[in-house]
Amino acid sequence: GESVGLHLPTLSVQEGDNSIINCAYSNSASDYFIWYKQESGKGPQFIIDIRSNMDKRQGQRVTVLLNKTVKHLSLQIAATQPGDSAVYFCAENRQGAQKLVFGQGTRLTINP
Amino acid sequence: NAGVMQNPRHLVRRRGQEARLRCSPMKGHSHVYWYRQLPEEGLKFMVYLQKENIIDESGMPKERFSAEFPKEGPSILRIQQVVRGDSAAYFCASSPPGTPRGTEAFFGQGTRLTVV
Repeated sequence: GESVGLHLPTLSVQEGDNSIINCAYSNSASDYFIWYKQESGKGPQFIIDIRSNMDKRQGQRVTVLLNKTVKHLSLQIAATQPGDSAVYFCAENRQGAQKLVFGQGTRLTINP
Repeated sequence: NAGVMQNPRHLVRRRGQEARLRCSPMKGHSHVYWYRQLPEEGLKFMVYLQKENIIDESGMPKERFSAEFPKEGPSILRIQQVVRGDSAAYFCASSPPGTPRGTEAFFGQGTRLTVV
């Protein structure tokens, strides 16, 4: 039967540790990927993006890794801080389409 | 430079009433997108509009839902005869002209619709 009220996957990390959030995408035609952060009661906030001609891209304290062979994306956050607590979504886009397709999301909680 | 403005932030409607959600894009942005988010889920694309044109409405339910982005004024997402299943957060995003894939989109804070 159907599952009602699915809960987001949750990742708990200690403050100061590194966080790794994973995402599997489904569309082989997708060639542009974005990670968003969504805090409670707010809209998604852009974190970092990557195109399919790259396998790694770094920002400030964040790194995105792309494995096109297995259609897998990850977001690494270095030295996790309390302000990093949020739900993180990956989104994919393919050439010719304007819309973003969002993944389910992962809730990141920080333990003091 | 104000961001994407959505109002109201919270909207309560009884079953059968109409809901109107407004979105003012960022200054200079001519592309508007509407997404719906159910609790504990990701955002789902609904519709993409440019001024006075609906470009892609592949994510819009066939009935009761409509969207517009007039030459002047905000974009409106209208839900007629609301049902409990319409309860969700509705997010608007905007992007500037010349962004061919709409990926440079900024999101608003959303409107949380509750149908009672």
